[in-house]
Amino acid sequence: NAGVTQTPKFQVLKTGQSMTLQCAQDMNHNSMYWYRQDPGMGLRLIYYSASEGTTDKGEVPNGYNVSRLNKREFSLRLESAAPSQTSVYFCGSTRGGPQETQYFGPGTRLLVL
Amino acid sequence: GQQLNQSPQSMFIQEGEDVSMNCTSSSIFNTWLWYKQDPGEGPVLLIALYKAGELTSNGRLTAQFGITRKDSFLNISASIPSDVGIYFCAGPFSGAGSYQLTFGKGTKLSVIP
Repeated sequence: NAGVTQTPKFQVLKTGQSMTLQCAQDMNHNSMYWYRQDPGMGLRLIYYSASEGTTDKGEVPNGYNVSRLNKREFSLRLESAAPSQTSVYFCGSTRGGPQETQYFGPGTRLLVL
Repeated sequence: GQQLNQSPQSMFIQEGEDVSMNCTSSSIFNTWLWYKQDPGEGPVLLIALYKAGELTSNGRLTAQFGITRKDSFLNISASIPSDVGIYFCAGPFSGAGSYQLTFGKGTKLSVIP
């Protein structure tokens, strides 16, 4: 099992460019999550998907869109990147119950110039 | 929303020393999770606590779920250089058909050989 995988690992964008961050999990988990992590901060939830076919906003959704493509894959899209979106992005997944622990990918480091 | 306060924010310790960090909340949590994040990696689960008063060990790590359900402690005994990283507490809460995690801002641990 690869667990949670993310691509790309690193990306540099110019302001206004768009890109999609990919996430996939092979643990048959129902719920998937996108977070961003800024220096000195914990992880903040951008969007999540409780199950295939559903998505909901988290704490900091502005400037992002998501797609739950199937049970395995959950993508995060920046339509028009801004320097404030420079961050490290983590994807997480869990089976879904209250005692289910969450597993994380290795992260995507994004720099917006 | 839910907020978790971690302390200390950072600590520098000598190899071999014991470490203690804590996490508090104004809200009650039914589960407490402790994660470690190595530099350049995603968070990895260390210990999960499911019951008030529970004390759980994982090697040199020991974590406790506070009786009030509003706090948790993580202790590391006999620290070694590979303990370096950021330690996060997290607690799940329900929202829109899924369980989300709220994270503390982390305790950054540096170990001096």
